[in-house]
Amino acid sequence: DAGVIQSPRHEVTEMGQEVTLRCKPISGHDYLFWYRQTMMRGLELLIYFNNNVPIDDSGMPEDRFSAKMPNASFSTLKIQPSEPRDSAVYFCASSKQGLNEKLFFGSGTQLSVL
Amino acid sequence: DAKTTQPNSMESNEEEPVHLPCNHSTISGTDYIHWYRQLPSQGPEYVIHGLTSNVNNRMASLAIAEDRKSSTLILHRATLRDAAVYYCIPRFSTDSWGKLQFGAGTQVVVTP
Repeated sequence: DAGVIQSPRHEVTEMGQEVTLRCKPISGHDYLFWYRQTMMRGLELLIYFNNNVPIDDSGMPEDRFSAKMPNASFSTLKIQPSEPRDSAVYFCASSKQGLNEKLFFGSGTQLSVL
Repeated sequence: DAKTTQPNSMESNEEEPVHLPCNHSTISGTDYIHWYRQLPSQGPEYVIHGLTSNVNNRMASLAIAEDRKSSTLILHRATLRDAAVYYCIPRFSTDSWGKLQFGAGTQVVVTP
């Protein structure tokens, strides 16, 4: 398996533009997670899905952020409109169900909003 | 509401063991302890996890205190490639499942 695949690896955009980050989880995994990492706040859980259904989005910072999972092999995180404070590394991870299951992370998307 | 306490950083010489402590006094009998690490410019990766007894794998060993309120990740012979941030994360059975929440972790520095 290729692991969790994220695209793009780097994204540079201007303030006010729409940004879409993409994630392909590992086949057979029931859960998908979106994290954001900054120097100030560390790794933050934004939202996670179980069987394509959003379970907990309490970490989503504001209405400008939205996430979808239209099928088991694809998820998007969208920011509209983007702001400079959204600059961060965004990670996607997937897992099977169970407290003793491990999460597999993608390589992340480095987002810079100018 | 800090659920774990880890030292900010630890230093080790190459080829020496590293013992990374973690306090997790709020866990209950059905909560797992997971450890992840994050190498520079990479996503976190799983290291090891345990429930009650000590655990070993090819990467590390996990020693869990008898009262389960603390654990220690042991890197038996540190290499330069082990320089990373190490996160101790409890998986609370009472949480909405899946909430793997990262704290600040411990930055491990390995010197040759």
